[in-house]
Amino acid sequence: KAGVTQTPRYLIKTRGQQVTLSCSPISGHRSVSWYQQTPGQGLQFLFEYFSETQRNKGNFPGRFSGRQFSNSRSEMNVSTLELGDSALYLCASSYNQETQYFGPGTRLLVL
Amino acid sequence: GQQLNQSPQSMFIQEGEDVSMNCTSSSIFNTWLWYKQDPGEGPVLLIALYKAGELTSNGRLTAQFGITRKDSFLNISASIPSDVGIYFCAGQSPYSGAGSYQLTFGKGTKLSVIP
Repeated sequence: KAGVTQTPRYLIKTRGQQVTLSCSPISGHRSVSWYQQTPGQGLQFLFEYFSETQRNKGNFPGRFSGRQFSNSRSEMNVSTLELGDSALYLCASSYNQETQYFGPGTRLLVL
Repeated sequence: GQQLNQSPQSMFIQEGEDVSMNCTSSSIFNTWLWYKQDPGEGPVLLIALYKAGELTSNGRLTAQFGITRKDSFLNISASIPSDVGIYFCAGQSPYSGAGSYQLTFGKGTKLSVIP
């Protein structure tokens, strides 16, 4: 069974731009969670989607948003990028909500 | 919000030695997970613990879910060079409504193995 895939793997943007990241969960998994990882803050929860509905949200500004499609694929969007948004963005999928499996991440650099 | 205290932050060990790391929290968790992350990659699940007191092994790795549900440890026996990486603990909070669970991560333990 294929693992969680994320595209693109690397991205460079400038301040003020917006970005969309994509995540395809493991086949059969309906829950997708997004995390931001930085050296200073570690892994922080952004939001979780299940059956196209956002069920849980972390403490991030409204510039961070996401959505999930009927095939469980998910996207997250960051608008008006700031330098501090530079991070590794990780997506994790889950079938039984007890165990989350991570993708390789998208490394975003904001200049 | 919830916080996990993971220790040690880093460790240098000789190949063949055993390693122990742990996580503690002031909050209870329903599930404890241990992940390993290599540079530039996503965390890979090593062990999942679902019940208080549970002791689970995966090869040279052993992890336990503390009885109080507020702590967990991971042991690695007979370390080898490929054990190098950052190890994270993660606790899954009790039900938060709408069937959603949230993982809280420790800051990680960076393991270096000296051949």
